[in-house]
Amino acid sequence: DIQMTQSPSSLSASVGDRVTITCRASQSINSYLNWYQHKPGKAPKLLIYVASTLQSGVPSRFSGRGSGTDFTLTISSLQPEDFATYYCQQSYSPPLSFGGGTKVEIK
Amino acid sequence: QVTLKESGPVLVKPTETLTLTCTVSGVSPSNARMGVSWIRQPPGKALEWLAHIFSNDEKSYTTSLKTRLTISKDTSKSQVVLTMTNMDPVDTATYYCARTLPVQFWFVDWGQGALVAVSS
Repeated sequence: DIQMTQSPSSLSASVGDRVTITCRASQSINSYLNWYQHKPGKAPKLLIYVASTLQSGVPSRFSGRGSGTDFTLTISSLQPEDFATYYCQQSYSPPLSFGGGTKVEIK
Repeated sequence: QVTLKESGPVLVKPTETLTLTCTVSGVSPSNARMGVSWIRQPPGKALEWLAHIFSNDEKSYTTSLKTRLTISKDTSKSQVVLTMTNMDPVDTATYYCARTLPVQFWFVDWGQGALVAVSS
């Protein structure tokens, strides 16, 4: 099974900061890496799929890069509504798997 | 607009079997060439993928819980059912169902989640 490791597990940042979250797969998953935003009490929301494709309606301050085993999610200018937990997920092959999450908190 | 809604018991006892239903609205059952997964989140912990059913009825399960899980669907009712046997307090979690498009494994739509507690 493919294991997904995110870092950091949490970070503190200010509005306007540039934030980068890393996700590493235990084996190559090509570009089959997706990112979600999750706020307490709400359903997770798809942000980016196949590493770098922005889901419809997602602000352009979110971007994704990577292939193989190493991937990043970047928020270019953090907004108040971006404080949440972010998860990566591999869709290379079942069994599917998520990373451990990165909680983005207000500094 | 496609919506998903989870339903099932709020509380189950240890050793009991949990049955959760995901009802999908906004897409015709005859045109529902989609996949549905179940995903859970224990309190304070990360998302955990549990199971997936493909449009061709093929199924996949997480390795660690494979012996306890069964996923099935009733296309005529636009429902996907997850059963989990031998429930334990560590299975206390919010359970989500989520939809994928055909031949894709990223989750474009999610239900709001159903909180299930396991306690005697």
